This record gives sequence, structure tokens and C-alpha cells, in this order.
Amino acid sequence: KAGVTQTPRYLIKTRGQQVTLSCSPISGHRSVSWYQQTPGQGLQFLFEYFSETQRNKGNFPGRFSGRQFSNSRSEMNVSTLELGDSALYLCASSLGGPSTEAFFGQGTRLTVV
Amino acid sequence: AQTVTQSQPEMSVQEAETVTLSCTYDTSESDYYLFWYKQPPSRQMILVIRQEAYKQQNATENRFSVNFQKAAKSFSLKISDSQLGDAAMYFCAYKDFGNEKLTFGTGTRLTIIP
Repeated sequence: KAGVTQTPRYLIKTRGQQVTLSCSPISGHRSVSWYQQTPGQGLQFLFEYFSETQRNKGNFPGRFSGRQFSNSRSEMNVSTLELGDSALYLCASSLGGPSTEAFFGQGTRLTVV
Repeated sequence: AQTVTQSQPEMSVQEAETVTLSCTYDTSESDYYLFWYKQPPSRQMILVIRQEAYKQQNATENRFSVNFQKAAKSFSLKISDSQLGDAAMYFCAYKDFGNEKLTFGTGTRLTIIP
């Protein structure tokens, strides 16, 4: 069974640009969550999608958005990139029930220059 | 809001010895889950062990066990017979019942000394 796949693994973007990250969950998983990991702020929750609906959202500006498709794949978009958006972005998938476990992808390392 | 605190930024242990990583959390909920995740240099977060708050029995997974003290809101991880492959960042995480959001601590970097 394939794990959570995130693409691309590495990205370099220029300040002011926008970027789209992709996450393919484990087959059968309907919940996808996104996290930002930085040395200064640690791991912070961005948002969670379940069956194409955003169920929960963290405390990030509106430049950060996401969506989920009918096959449960999810994309995260960051517009008007800032230097502070440089981070490891992690995606996690789960079945979505109350006691289910989250399985993480290897992340996308975004560098904004 | 729930918070998770890991007060040990770094720990080291001799190979084959036992080490305990500390975690405390704050919540007003009665039903929740606690996890320990391992993040090796490959960056992928790997679930080590989980604990349901309604279970009094401490979880155990092979060499990994937890000491869950609900009243004290404490959730420590004990690694027995430490191996070189255990070297990683360890994160304690909290999840409300019925919510997928994980709240993480700041992590503890574990070094294994051969």
C-alpha cells in the first residue's frame, strides 16, 4: 500500500510569486491535513479537508488556501510569497474518524528567495 | 486552546540504555488522544505510539512505552534498549476527540551514543 505522496519534494520561488503543493493520501483515506514546519515556529496546523470540504483551519493568513478533489488528493496554494513562508510543508492523511491515526508524507521543502 | 510542552530540547543516551522523554499538555477536554512521533533526517513523521485518554493502561509498542498521567497532564516516552536507528527528533502531539488537528510540542532531539 503506497504511503502519502507529496510533490514536489523541493521548490525555490521568488518573493511575490505563488506556489501550489500537492498531496496524494493513502488509498481510502478521506482526510488530508497540512502543516507548516519552521525552526522558529515549529509544527503548525494549516487546515484539514475531508470529502472535499474544509473542516478545520489554523491561524494563517488568507494567502494560504487549499482544496481537495473527489479522489481525496489535496493541493495547497500560497500566494504572494514572503521570505517567512520558507518552510517544510507536511501533509498527513487519515481515514477521518475520531480515533484514526495520521500518516505523514515526506514533505515539500519550500525556499523563498 | 490546547498546548503541548516538551521541556528537553536535546537528550542523549548510550546505545542499549534507557531514556525517557518528557511531555506535558494543557486541555480542558476529557476525551482526547496523545501521540509520540519520530522525525528522522529524512523528515518523514513516523508514529511511534499513541494513547487514548480514556484508557488508564499505558500504551506499549515493543521497546517504546509511555507513562500517561491524566491528572497531571503528563505523557512521557520511555525508549528501552536504545538503538542507533532511534536517533531523531521526537514530537509529542495532542488531538481532540473528533478533530483531526494535531497540536505538537517543540520536539526533543535524541542522540544515541555508540
